[in-house]
Amino acid sequence: EVQLVQSGAEVKKPGESLKVSCKGSGYSFSSYWIAWVRQKPGKGLEWMGIIHPDDSDTRYSPSFQGQVTILADKSISAAYLQWTSLKASDTAMYYCARQEWLSEAPDYWGQGTLVTVSS
Amino acid sequence: DIQMTQSPSSLSASVGDRVTITCRASQDITNYLAWFQQKPGKAPKSLIYAASTLRSGVPSKFSGRGSGTDFTLTISSLQPEDFATYYCQQYNSYPRTFGQGTKVEIK
Repeated sequence: EVQLVQSGAEVKKPGESLKVSCKGSGYSFSSYWIAWVRQKPGKGLEWMGIIHPDDSDTRYSPSFQGQVTILADKSISAAYLQWTSLKASDTAMYYCARQEWLSEAPDYWGQGTLVTVSS
Repeated sequence: DIQMTQSPSSLSASVGDRVTITCRASQDITNYLAWFQQKPGKAPKSLIYAASTLRSGVPSKFSGRGSGTDFTLTISSLQPEDFATYYCQQYNSYPRTFGQGTKVEIK
C-alpha cells in the first residue's frame, strides 16, 4: 500500500527554523517526484515546488523560491520542507504528494502537517 | 502564471442530482488538467488526470471532459460522501496552479 506519512503539527515563533518531513512507503521512493502544496486556513491549494529524490532535481514556484527549501534523502525515503526564518504568514497546512513523472499530476497525498507560527 | 478559474465557487445540490463544475484556464493547457476532492479536515484525493482519465479506485459516477482552456467535472448522481470541495489543477507549465475550489453542499 502506497503511503506518504508526514511529521506532526508544529507550533513555532516568528524567526524560528523548521523542517517538516514526508516519508514514503509501499513503492520505490526514488522513482517518484514529491511535490509540496500549501493550504492556508480556509483557503485553496498552492503549489510550492517539487523534488526528485534520486538526484534532488528541484523546481520551485516563483512565489516560494527563496522562502523555503525542498530537500530529499532517498536513503530513508524522506522528503523535507525547510524554513530558516518562519513568519506568521507561513501558518498553514502543508501537504506532500507523489507523482511518477514531472509532466503528471499527483496521485497519492500525505495527510498534511499543520504549521502554526505565532508569537 | 496560468490562472485557473472554477465556477461556481459553491453550489447546493440534493442527493441524486447531477452536478457539473467548470474549470477554465487562462491559456491553452491541452489536456494537462487534474481534479481533486477535499473533505473538511482531510488531505486532497486525486480523482482525474489528463482531463478525463479516472484514477484507480475512483467510481465511474465521476467524469471529466475538455481540452484547451475549458474543462468540466461531472458527478452523475450525487451521494452523501461526495459533498466536498473540488479543485482543478493545470500541470502544463510552471508554476502548477489550482483553481480556487468549488464547494458542493447539501441542499
